[in-house]
Amino acid sequence: ELKVEQNPLFLSMQEGKNYTIYCNYSTTSDRLYWYRQDPGKSLESLFVLLSNGAVKQEGRLMASLDTKARLSTLHITAAVHDLSATYFCAVENSGGSNYKLTFGKGTLLTVNP
Amino acid sequence: DVKVTQSSRYLVKRTGEKVFLECVQDMDHENMFWYRQDPGLGLRLIYFSYDVKMKEKGDIPEGYSVSREKKERFSLILESASTNQTSMYLCASSLPLTGFSYNEQFFGPGTRLTVL
Repeated sequence: ELKVEQNPLFLSMQEGKNYTIYCNYSTTSDRLYWYRQDPGKSLESLFVLLSNGAVKQEGRLMASLDTKARLSTLHITAAVHDLSATYFCAVENSGGSNYKLTFGKGTLLTVNP
Repeated sequence: DVKVTQSSRYLVKRTGEKVFLECVQDMDHENMFWYRQDPGLGLRLIYFSYDVKMKEKGDIPEGYSVSREKKERFSLILESASTNQTSMYLCASSLPLTGFSYNEQFFGPGTRLTVL
């Protein structure tokens, strides 16, 4: 059974600082997705990582995937308040019911002035 | 843009009532999903459907059923609502995995269901 672990689950950071959220998963998969959820809202797709070594960047966020280590990172550069949200990683099952995504529990990010 | 809509944003029902949650997508996606989201537990898959009239159980199907009579519409049914089904319910859709496609899921706004 695929398990996905995110850490930290809670992250409070100051504006202007850098930090990394980690997403580890337990079985082989080449595809990983990052989503953002604002309070009271639904999930919005941020990044789609489709192969080992994939790196995607959008503004102050950069995501990468290492399929050998079964690890993805979401790096935040010079955080601003607007980045406050919950971030989820989701891993695609590589066999069997490969329609499914298994989600991590989410990282609640709070950026303080 | 993909648009996934859900029939209600907020719903309050009584224990034992039959509850219907409806989801509609306008992008001709073949896959549709129902999740529930609870604090500290993340998103958990209830059911999904990869074609009209086809369904497959997710991780927590007990107490739920689904119906997909048309490609764009996927309904979640709580046959007899219970208080432990109070939750945020999220619907999503995606293209099927073929060739060069991938399983990016697009989510609706969610229905916050309270069962009293």
